[in-house]
Amino acid sequence: AQTVTQSQPEMSVQEAETVTLSCTYDTSESDYYLFWYKQPPSRQMILVIRQEAYKQQNATENRFSVNFQKAAKSFSLKISDSQLGDAAMYFCAYRIMDSNYQLIWGAGTKLIIKP
Amino acid sequence: GAGVSQSPSNKVTEKGKDVELRCDPISGHTALYWYRQSLGQGLEFLIYFQGNSAPDKSGLPSDRFSAERTGGSVSTLTIQRTQQEDSAVYLCASSLGIAGGRETQYFGPGTRLLVL
Repeated sequence: AQTVTQSQPEMSVQEAETVTLSCTYDTSESDYYLFWYKQPPSRQMILVIRQEAYKQQNATENRFSVNFQKAAKSFSLKISDSQLGDAAMYFCAYRIMDSNYQLIWGAGTKLIIKP
Repeated sequence: GAGVSQSPSNKVTEKGKDVELRCDPISGHTALYWYRQSLGQGLEFLIYFQGNSAPDKSGLPSDRFSAERTGGSVSTLTIQRTQQEDSAVYLCASSLGIAGGRETQYFGPGTRLLVL
């Protein structure tokens, strides 16, 4: 069975500092997609970053970057220069590339930014 | 352009009543998904539509839940004879396709359903 685990229910970081959110997954597939979504109190689920498993290069989007370790089945999110607007729930999600189009989700990590 | 929209934003209903939740996907997106998010939890897949293909209903929790997508665009999720355990946020997402860089799902703001 495919599962996604986010072991940190809550994380806090000082504004302008760097924080890393962890995500591990379990799969027997070799090709798949991985995503980080952000959900602020407004409920809108917003895509932060995506990674294709066949790409060795870690995805980067401005202050957001991932550390993708395929052999370890790890997909952590690093947020640099944290801002107050980064406060939200962060969800890691997984999807097989060729089928099973539904996303499998972790339980989320609540990120608190301290001013 | 406009994102995914959902209505109503909030819905309070009495146990046993039927409710309809609406989703307007991004124009041109062929795939549409419904998820349920219970308090403090991740998302649970409910149903998926892709173009004119038969929907994948494998995630629907019971036969009280149904969904349709008219004209390949707007979708309605219907919950009949609502129960208190149906209380959750119902999220809709759409994507251009299901592979080849088009698979990223874009979400609406959700409908918060409270069954009293």
